Amino acid sequence: DAGVIQSPRHEVTEMGQEVTLRCKPISGHNSLFWYRQTMMRGLELLIYFNNNVPIDDSGMPEDRFSAKMPNASFSTLKIQPSEPRDSAVYFCASRPGRVGQPQHFGDGTRLSIL
Amino acid sequence: QQQVKQSPQSLIVQKGGISIINCAYENTAFDYFPWYQQFPGKGPALLIAIRPDVSEKKEGRFTISFNKSAKQFSLHIMDSQPGDSATYFCAASSFGNEKLTFGTGTRLTIIP
Repeated sequence: DAGVIQSPRHEVTEMGQEVTLRCKPISGHNSLFWYRQTMMRGLELLIYFNNNVPIDDSGMPEDRFSAKMPNASFSTLKIQPSEPRDSAVYFCASRPGRVGQPQHFGDGTRLSIL
Repeated sequence: QQQVKQSPQSLIVQKGGISIINCAYENTAFDYFPWYQQFPGKGPALLIAIRPDVSEKKEGRFTISFNKSAKQFSLHIMDSQPGDSATYFCAASSFGNEKLTFGTGTRLTIIP
């Protein structure tokens, strides 16, 4: 059974460029989460979706960040324009709809903005 | 009030010893307390979780102890092994709220 799949695994780009991170959740999972992990701030929830609808985006740091979930099997997190302080590991997680079920994380995208 | 405070930041334990990581929370609405384990280059993975209707939950060498009145919970790893070397995160959420609030993580190193 495939887990949460994220791509790319690593991304290095120059400041000002647009960055798109991709996530394929586990089939049948109703909820999808985007997290950012840094040494300074730990794991931060950026946004989460339930049945493809954004429920809480209060963790999105600025308007430069946007996330979409056009269907149940795909989500993107976009940063435009990117800045060096966006460098972090970005994780996607998904969760079944049943109460009490855990979140399953992908292996993350390591993003470096030069 | 949404914070979960985790300690210590790092921990070194000898092989065969007991590793103990502690977490404290403020929000009394929290009613689900999972622990996640993260290896380098990987995402966090659920290790064990507890709800406040019990004071302890054990799965193999891993035990969660929960103190509702003190608003604290801890992870105990018995007979710690080098393969347990990882970063451990506690987390909390409230019923009906899918958001997990994570602790800051503990980097555990098991030495031979």
